[in-house]
Amino acid sequence: ETGVTQSPTHLIKTRGQQVTLRCSSQSGHNTVSWYQQALGQGPQFIFQYYREEENGRGNFPPRFSGLQFPNYSSELNVNALELDDSALYLCASSSGGPGRTTGELFFGEGSRLTVL
Amino acid sequence: AQKITQTQPGMFVQEKEAVTLDCTYDTSDPSYGLFWYKQPSSGEMIFLIYQGSYDQQNATEGRYSLNFQKARKSANLVISASQLGDSAMYFCAMREGGEDTGRRALTFGSGTRLQVQP
Repeated sequence: ETGVTQSPTHLIKTRGQQVTLRCSSQSGHNTVSWYQQALGQGPQFIFQYYREEENGRGNFPPRFSGLQFPNYSSELNVNALELDDSALYLCASSSGGPGRTTGELFFGEGSRLTVL
Repeated sequence: AQKITQTQPGMFVQEKEAVTLDCTYDTSDPSYGLFWYKQPSSGEMIFLIYQGSYDQQNATEGRYSLNFQKARKSANLVISASQLGDSAMYFCAMREGGEDTGRRALTFGSGTRLQVQP
């Protein structure tokens, strides 16, 4: 186990609704990133938070937003849900910031979102 | 252009045999890192092995080794002595920029489903 926990594990929403997904990072990790993994595809980078600030974003619209808290846990919020938002959402933590590390990511088991 | 290409959607291997999973990448950044992750049906991505672009030797981690051919931009994963528990999806991923940049975003390939047969 990586020590990264995500909640909820599964949820079903309808189009137009809003959803919040939560992530507790591994102890000592100050960087959290979120990925979207559609069925049959590799994960796609949504954004990264380092010390409570967003410091990297992938090609996702503004209705995907996030927060990182002082204890380095994080939330992913998605507004105005669309059918294509159905996916596994993975949270990953790492020891970020400048410094010599391999930068490997430690992933949680994900939150599987279904939008009807 | 795809940054990470995995051309094998699925692979079969006999238990105890070795298997190579292919990965090619595309980047103009001289400093980058290459990763392999395993994803069982539970969904969690499990880190297997890492290769830095300036590393002189191929990375090894237990039964996993990375065949890094920089000129060809390939980073194939070799699993020796396959076990039934190795059956999973395998993803190759790349981080552009050096390890000291603080950037951690990975670009993943589409994955290879490996099935180990008894």
